[in-house]
Amino acid sequence: NAGVTQTPKFRILKIGQSMTLQCTQDMNHNYMYWYRQDPGMGLKLIYYSVGAGITDKGEVPNGYNVSRSTTEDFPLRLELAAPSQTSVYFCASTYGGVGNTIYFGEGSWLTVV
Amino acid sequence: KQEVTQIPAALSVPEGENLVLNCSFTDSAIYNLQWFRQDPGKGLTSLLLIQSSQREQTSGRLNASLDKSSGRSTLYIAASQPGDSATYLCAVIITGGGNKLTFGTGTQLKVEL
Repeated sequence: NAGVTQTPKFRILKIGQSMTLQCTQDMNHNYMYWYRQDPGMGLKLIYYSVGAGITDKGEVPNGYNVSRSTTEDFPLRLELAAPSQTSVYFCASTYGGVGNTIYFGEGSWLTVV
Repeated sequence: KQEVTQIPAALSVPEGENLVLNCSFTDSAIYNLQWFRQDPGKGLTSLLLIQSSQREQTSGRLNASLDKSSGRSTLYIAASQPGDSATYLCAVIITGGGNKLTFGTGTQLKVEL
């Protein structure tokens, strides 16, 4: 049972490049999330999904896109990378229902130069 | 809009001391409140989850309380140890779809020998 797995762990992008952060979970969770964490700040929600084929915007969605074609995978795409997207990105998952524990991946450190 | 605040931002204590971390939120319409631990370079680990109908939860040396009407939660750590050094984040799930978490900015705890 690997939990929530994110790749890559570290990446340096040039301004204007695009990339996809991968997230997969093996717990059959229906809810999945992408957060970003800037230094000294709490986590901000980018996008979330309540099941395969369903995605919705969070608090800071601009510059990002997601898809949820399977229960297991929830990739985050950065289009036309900007320095403001330099951050640590966390993927998380949980079962639906407010009493359930949420599980986080170990994070992806992204630097845009 | 829900705002979550944690005070203090950083705390340094000698080993063995009992300590309290504070979390406040502006909107009392929450489903639950969770406390997380984050180690440097790692993801978040859920410590305690308090449902909106509960007043407290305990796990080992940790005790979390919730006063929904006043918008406050505390995390009490008994007999602190150097291994407790980490950043502690609180987060609330508000009523409405998606079980989305709103995070505080965290308290960075250092327990010294």
